[in-house]
Amino acid sequence: AQSVTQLGSHVSVSEGALVLLRCNYSSSVPPYLFWYVQYPNQGLQLLLKYTSAATLVKGINGFEAEFKKSETSFHLTKPSAHMSDAAEYFCAVTVYNTDKLIFGTGTRLQVFP
Amino acid sequence: KAGVTQTPRYLIKTRGQQVTLSCSPISGHRSVSWYQQTPGQGLQFLFEYFSETQRNKGNFPGRFSGRQFSNSRSEMNVSTLELGDSALYLCASSAGLAGGPGGDTQYFGPGTRLTVL
Repeated sequence: AQSVTQLGSHVSVSEGALVLLRCNYSSSVPPYLFWYVQYPNQGLQLLLKYTSAATLVKGINGFEAEFKKSETSFHLTKPSAHMSDAAEYFCAVTVYNTDKLIFGTGTRLQVFP
Repeated sequence: KAGVTQTPRYLIKTRGQQVTLSCSPISGHRSVSWYQQTPGQGLQFLFEYFSETQRNKGNFPGRFSGRQFSNSRSEMNVSTLELGDSALYLCASSAGLAGGPGGDTQYFGPGTRLTVL
């Protein structure tokens, strides 16, 4: 069965610093992996998606994630944090042969001036 | 293209009542999925509908049901509400590649915040 684990429920960075949000997956088949962002009182917005076409995936708002099979990881990064990046971030994997998403527990990102 | 819309955005009900939530997918999308988000359990999959048929189901009691109409709009119903049903209910739509390998990108609506008193 597929699953994802997000390490760190809260991450705090200064504006302009590197953002690193960790996600490890478990899957016996090549996974489809996603990062979504949720701002307060809103739904989920897709940041990026891994489909095996390329291991480095670029998303919106300057975010990117690298798929590392040897480490079963799909960490999300952004070189320079902006105040507007403060939100909750969810890593997700689809259950094999379906569109059903299994989400991690989320990481709340705080950005300090 | 308009995004996924959900109505109502906020709802307050009392225990024992029933509630119906509505979701309109992105134009052209044929698959609609529902998720429940709570602080304790996080994001959990409820069910998915494609072409008016339930294609996948999560581990929720039978009080939770749904349906999809011929225009792909979907409704979710919860009967005999319990305090623990208080949550943000999110609807997501995708193109719904029938028979595909899965992993179709899902686009989420803003959610319906249900409070059960």
